Amino acid sequence: AQSVTQPDIHITVSEGASLELRCNYSYGATPYLFWYVQSPGQGLQLLLKYFSGDTLVQGIKGFEAEFKRSQSSFNLRKPSVHWSDAAEYFCAVGLYNFNKFYFGSGTKLNVKP
Amino acid sequence: DGGITQSPKYLFRKEGQNVTLSCEQNLNHDAMYWYRQDPGQGLRLIYYSQIVNDFQKGDIAEGYSVSREKKESFPLTVTSAQKNPTAFYLCASMADREGNNQPQHFGDGTRLSIL
Repeated sequence: AQSVTQPDIHITVSEGASLELRCNYSYGATPYLFWYVQSPGQGLQLLLKYFSGDTLVQGIKGFEAEFKRSQSSFNLRKPSVHWSDAAEYFCAVGLYNFNKFYFGSGTKLNVKP
Repeated sequence: DGGITQSPKYLFRKEGQNVTLSCEQNLNHDAMYWYRQDPGQGLRLIYYSQIVNDFQKGDIAEGYSVSREKKESFPLTVTSAQKNPTAFYLCASMADREGNNQPQHFGDGTRLSIL
């Protein structure tokens, strides 16, 4: 069965510090991978996506993610966090042959001043 | 501006009552989805539709019903059979029912609570 694991429920970082949010997936083939961000009471906004090609993908708001097939991971990174990055982040796997998507349980990011 | 509109933003349900959540998109997307979000559980798929007049059950369809009579509309009814309906409900759409490497776009959600 397909699954997406985000092992960190909460993460707190200081403003200006670097950030890495972990995501592991379980799927028999190369999946389509996404990172979304959600502010409280809002919908999900796409940060970046990976379909094929270069395993390091750039997204909006200075985020990037690296696909590592050997580790079944797609970790999200940002070199310097801003207070406005405080939100919940979701990793997702897309199965286009079934037109379905699976989401991780999310990681809540707090940013200390 | 194109987007997905969910209404209402907040909804309250009495015991034994059916309620309907609205989702409208003007993105000309073929596929539409309903998710339920509970704290610490991420998003779980309730129903999805790839084309007008057709829809499939997701992982947690019991107690819910949908219709897709128009391309731009995908309303979700939470029936009285859903015993724990309190949650945040998100509607999403996608450009092409074949996928073609497109991400989902999300509405701003409806928060449903029990009176």
